[in-house]
Amino acid sequence: DAKTTQPNSMESNEEEPVHLPCNHSTISGTDYIHWYRQLPSQGPEYVIHGLTSNVNNRMASLAIAEDRKSSTLILHRATLRDAAVYYCILRDSGAQKLVFGQGTRLTINP
Amino acid sequence: DAMVIQNPRYQVTQFGKPVTLSCSQTLNHNVMYWYQQKSSQAPKLLFHYYDKDFNNEADTPDNFQSRRPNTSFCFLDIRSPGLGDAAMYLCATSRVGRGETQYFGPGTRLLVL
Repeated sequence: DAKTTQPNSMESNEEEPVHLPCNHSTISGTDYIHWYRQLPSQGPEYVIHGLTSNVNNRMASLAIAEDRKSSTLILHRATLRDAAVYYCILRDSGAQKLVFGQGTRLTINP
Repeated sequence: DAMVIQNPRYQVTQFGKPVTLSCSQTLNHNVMYWYQQKSSQAPKLLFHYYDKDFNNEADTPDNFQSRRPNTSFCFLDIRSPGLGDAAMYLCATSRVGRGETQYFGPGTRLLVL
């Protein structure tokens, strides 16, 4: 399974943008880049995913490097409810599964 | 609302006493997953069903079994729980496809006494 590398933790302030980086230098051509987050005491929830082009949805934006070896999840205006562990995951190209790395624990300061 | 439901949210069992955790879904997804998440760790996939086809992860202990009697329900059976099996157990579903997202339930926290 292709692996991802994320910082263990990050901290930001409320109402400021947050950029969460992810390195995936061994990504294959058919791997999708998925982001999930897990709020305290809850199951993970889907945030966004992409293949090659940048993606936007109501929760976040995903910026994918041209060589696809890295990506950045962008929260445009963080709120206290965005405090969570954010997982960058490469969707296994041969099966249906997700392989979670350690993720980034995001703290939002009021 | 369509969702993934896990009951109970908390389950207490005794060392060595078989326990079953349940998951149901109203999304009509054909793939269902079971993950184990220990404290301060990432979720770890135990196995998944693609329709009725069971796919076990290579490092999932034999102590863990699963059943999927129909599209909506999936069960996790722990035959002889040890103290090390205390964890959050997460059920998830998805449609088929590499880009498809997974929808997670709230999890069942298992305590082994």
